[in-house]
Amino acid sequence: DIQMTQSPSSLSASVGDRVTITCRASQSISWYLNWYQQEPGKAPNLLIYSASNLQSGVPSRFSGSGGGTDFTLTISSLQPEDFTTYFCQQSYSIPNTFGQGTRLEIK
Amino acid sequence: QVTLKESGPALVKPTQTLTLTCSFSGFSLGTSTMRVSWIRQPPGKALEWLARIDWDDEKFYSTSLKTRLTISKDTSKNQVVLTMTNMDPVDTATYYCARDPNRGGGTSYFDYWGQGTLVTVSS
Repeated sequence: DIQMTQSPSSLSASVGDRVTITCRASQSISWYLNWYQQEPGKAPNLLIYSASNLQSGVPSRFSGSGGGTDFTLTISSLQPEDFTTYFCQQSYSIPNTFGQGTRLEIK
Repeated sequence: QVTLKESGPALVKPTQTLTLTCSFSGFSLGTSTMRVSWIRQPPGKALEWLARIDWDDEKFYSTSLKTRLTISKDTSKNQVVLTMTNMDPVDTATYYCARDPNRGGGTSYFDYWGQGTLVTVSS
């Protein structure tokens, strides 16, 4: 199985900050990497697919980049509703696997 | 619009078999390329992919759980069913079903999710 490692596991930031979350795969997954946002008690919500494609309806302050084994999710200017948890997921091979999550907290 | 909803028991005893149903609308598993997966999340922990069924009835399972899982579909009812045998307290989690529209070229992601159903395993 492909292992997905996110860093950091938690991050403190302020409204308006630019933040970056990293996801590393244990082997090359080309660009088959998706990012989700999950608010407490809710289902995950797709933000970015195939490494850099913004899902319809997702604000443009979210962006993704990377390929191979290393990927990043960037939020250009944090809004109050962005302080929640983010997961990466590889869709390169079965079984699909998720990162352990990054919790974004208000400083 | 696309919706999915999970249903099943909230409480199961250890060693019992869990049966969960995902009822969906707004798309059909009879449509070429469409897929539905089950994913779970223990309280406070990460997401874990469990199983997937494709429009053509191909099935895929988690490496560690494949001996305990069975996924099936009823296309006419717009339902996907997951059974998990020999339940254990470590299987306590919120179980989600999610749609993968499989846009082609290997592009695969979960664009719609159910609300999730919490299953507690306890005697």
